[in-house]
Amino acid sequence: GESVGLHLPTLSVQEGDNSIINCAYSNSASDYFIWYKQESGKGPQFIIDIRSNMDKRQGQRVTVLLNKTVKHLSLQIAATQPGDSAVYFCAENGSGANNLFFGTGTRLTVIP
Amino acid sequence: DSGVTQTPKHLITATGQRVTLRCSPRSGDLSVYWYQQSLDQGLQFLIHYYNGEERAKGNILERFSAQQFPDLHSELNLSSLELGDSALYFCASSVAGKDTQYFGPGTRLTVL
Repeated sequence: GESVGLHLPTLSVQEGDNSIINCAYSNSASDYFIWYKQESGKGPQFIIDIRSNMDKRQGQRVTVLLNKTVKHLSLQIAATQPGDSAVYFCAENGSGANNLFFGTGTRLTVIP
Repeated sequence: DSGVTQTPKHLITATGQRVTLRCSPRSGDLSVYWYQQSLDQGLQFLIHYYNGEERAKGNILERFSAQQFPDLHSELNLSSLELGDSALYFCASSVAGKDTQYFGPGTRLTVL
């Protein structure tokens, strides 16, 4: 099956610092990647996505970087705020499938 | 608010019982996906429906089944429940396929 893994299960950052959450994927045929944020007791919330024909995409305070050579995806959050504390999942669509394959998640804790 | 609704929010039942979880997709979305999230686990894809037809199956047990109705809402039926079926069940929807999936708030199932 597909394998999407995260390098670190937990990450603690100081409020105002930048956060970087990493993700490795195994299927080189994946062409769509998404980052989701999940707060306790809530459903995953879409943050940002990127297609395989791009290597960088920016949103509001977030940037996703895609390195297809090493099959690595990262989410950068600028000026991290307490409200950013959550579990972050990366997901890929495998071999062009419609469903998503999720990693186990990284828990981000922002220290005020 | 993603626009995806799920009912009930919580469900407590006994082993051997059968339950039905309901999902209403965002207005205009034709695809519905079901995922299972066990404690401290990632999201496991169960099944995908597009415009009433099953499109893909993931790690869905034979005791589980789903359908999508003409009004595009979907139901996930879980039967002969076991303790290990206790989890959060999420529904997501997207416009078609291969695009961003938006998740509902989930149904927390507890099997006693």
